[in-house]
Parts: sequence; structure tokens; C-alpha cells
Amino acid sequence: RKEVEQDPGPFNVPEGATVAFNCTYSNSASQSFFWYRQDCRKEPKLLMSVYSSGNEDGRFTAQLNRASQYISLLIRDSKLSDSATYLCVVNKGVTGGGNKLTFGTGTQLKVEL
Amino acid sequence: ETGVTQTPRHLVMGMTNKKSLKCEQHLGHNAMYWYKQSAKKPLELMFVYNFKEQTENNSVPSRFSPECPNSSHLFLHLHTLQPEDSALYLCASSQGGGNGNTIYFGEGSWLTVV
Repeated sequence: RKEVEQDPGPFNVPEGATVAFNCTYSNSASQSFFWYRQDCRKEPKLLMSVYSSGNEDGRFTAQLNRASQYISLLIRDSKLSDSATYLCVVNKGVTGGGNKLTFGTGTQLKVEL
Repeated sequence: ETGVTQTPRHLVMGMTNKKSLKCEQHLGHNAMYWYKQSAKKPLELMFVYNFKEQTENNSVPSRFSPECPNSSHLFLHLHTLQPEDSALYLCASSQGGGNGNTIYFGEGSWLTVV
């Protein structure tokens, strides 16, 4: 089983649509969680951290369910500029310092006119 | 504008060549990382350095040799690579080892081994 599993998509949605991405992780020792965004041939960039209480940043809402080891991302009112690959990321930490981020393969989103 | 810069951005090398990738972070961070991204695969962690000491080697073949002379600079020395090593190599940095510290990536070095 992969450490972090995501539906690769692509999700093709019209502008203005609401779209949800899901992610599951296998390591219950994972301690922090993120969504990163990666544009084609670019580096990943942090979209938002994910907290158990759920958190929102504008049109983006992230949720974490530790019991089910499940993470979600909801994008409301999709824009053309939201087209990208969304990476689910979990962090275990490293003995001695540093972070050990494990990435999912990403879910590709295409927002269309 | 990224605070993590990588050079070269593109590199083509033969299997018998020796080359190096360079990374510099201007964010005052303590931890630096090398990741590999191959086509259709998730990013794979290669190495972690914290305060210039290696804290993680994710079973990386010895043909990849990292060097971290200080907290701001990280190198990846390459020798006798294979064509399957062709990938995007991403350097990253973070404030430290605390969970939740954001990791910032450089733009990456595209490596092609011929």
C-alpha cells in the first residue's frame, strides 16, 4: 500500500464549479499534513496546512480525519488559474531534525471555460 | 521569487561524467533537503540535513553524494549515473525540524543522463 494515496484524475471542471480531492495515508505516526500545488514543470508550493479542526483559506477548505487517516481539499468557485496538480503531503519528522515529507502522486485539476 | 535557488536549471550528462547540482537558500533556514521527481511518480525524499548534519538518507545509491558545507548551501555530486536517474531534482529548505514548519522548494534542476 502506498504511504499517501490520491486519485490522479484528471478532474475536468467548468469555471465556478466546486471540486473536492481526497487523500488517504497509511502511517498513523504522521504528525502534520499539507496540500501543495504544483504547476506544470514548476516546483511544488505550499497551498495550505491541514488541521484536525478543519481550516479555510478563501475558496479553499482542508479537513483532516486522523481516525480514518483521511485528508480532503475543497475548492469552491473554481478559477482557470486553479488548474494545476494538487499534492497531498504528510510529515513524520526526522530524528535529529528536519522534516520527512511524503508526497502523494498528485491529483490533476483542469478548470475549463 | 523563490528564496531557494538551484543551479544549473538544466543538465545533460553522460554516464561516465561527474557533475554537481548546487542549492542555496536565502531564508535563514536550518534544514535542507534533496528530492527527486521522476515522470508519473511522486516526489521522493533523498536526503535531509539539519544544521549541516545529515539526518536522513532514504536508501539513495552511492552514485549520488550530498554535501552540506553550511546551513545555506547544499550540493548533490553525481557520478556514473544511469539513464533512469534522469529526473527533476528539487532542493528545499525549512526553518527546522519542528512539525508543521513549511518547506520551500527551489525551481529544480532538470537532469538528463544519456
